[in-house]
Amino acid sequence: GAVVSQHPSRVICKSGTSVKIECRSLDFQATTMFWYRQFPKQSLMLMATSNEGSKATYEQGVEKDKFLINHASLTLSTLTVTSAHPEDSSFYICSARGGGRGNTIYFGEGSWLTVV
Amino acid sequence: SQQGEEDPQALSIQEGENATMNCSYKTSINNLQWYRQNSGRGLVHLILIRSNEREKHSGRLRVTLDTSKKSSSLLITASRAADTASYFCATDGLGAQKLVFGQGTRLTINP
Repeated sequence: GAVVSQHPSRVICKSGTSVKIECRSLDFQATTMFWYRQFPKQSLMLMATSNEGSKATYEQGVEKDKFLINHASLTLSTLTVTSAHPEDSSFYICSARGGGRGNTIYFGEGSWLTVV
Repeated sequence: SQQGEEDPQALSIQEGENATMNCSYKTSINNLQWYRQNSGRGLVHLILIRSNEREKHSGRLRVTLDTSKKSSSLLITASRAADTASYFCATDGLGAQKLVFGQGTRLTINP
């Protein structure tokens, strides 16, 4: 079964509003979580890496003030898209790596964000 | 930034045929992994090959790794319609904890 859960799986929001996506590790403590975005028919682009209890490390070109990442506990990371615009519409996927699971990285099912 | 490239970008074959996808990367790696993604869905982990391994098998999957050429291949034998998906390679570099994905190959298996 799934070991990483993402919620919501689909969300529609109005332009200018903020939306939060949650990523939970279900049966292990995720010391590191990763957030990716994926446009249709393209690959996954890493947005940021977050370690529990510390600030996320953002990839070049990713606006940290627009994509707020919080990894406050060992089982939960959140991505908040602030002041969303239609161009932020995308598929967002999280993944998690944690103690006891070696180097295996588990992926969530992804969240479709549509900004109208 | 993306680590490397995959080719072909798209591949369409008949059911029962073998499908080969290639992946190239740019920097030294710890591991290389292959994932499958059905349209609009999350990723399914297929196989991991370590940098000191040259070949690995899992069911109908065969993965090779050539670190001197910084390339890997994924072979799916006796393809089935259910194998239709996008396939991505992903690498984690030395000292890095993140996975970086290739561009992916869209595989279509025609019944």
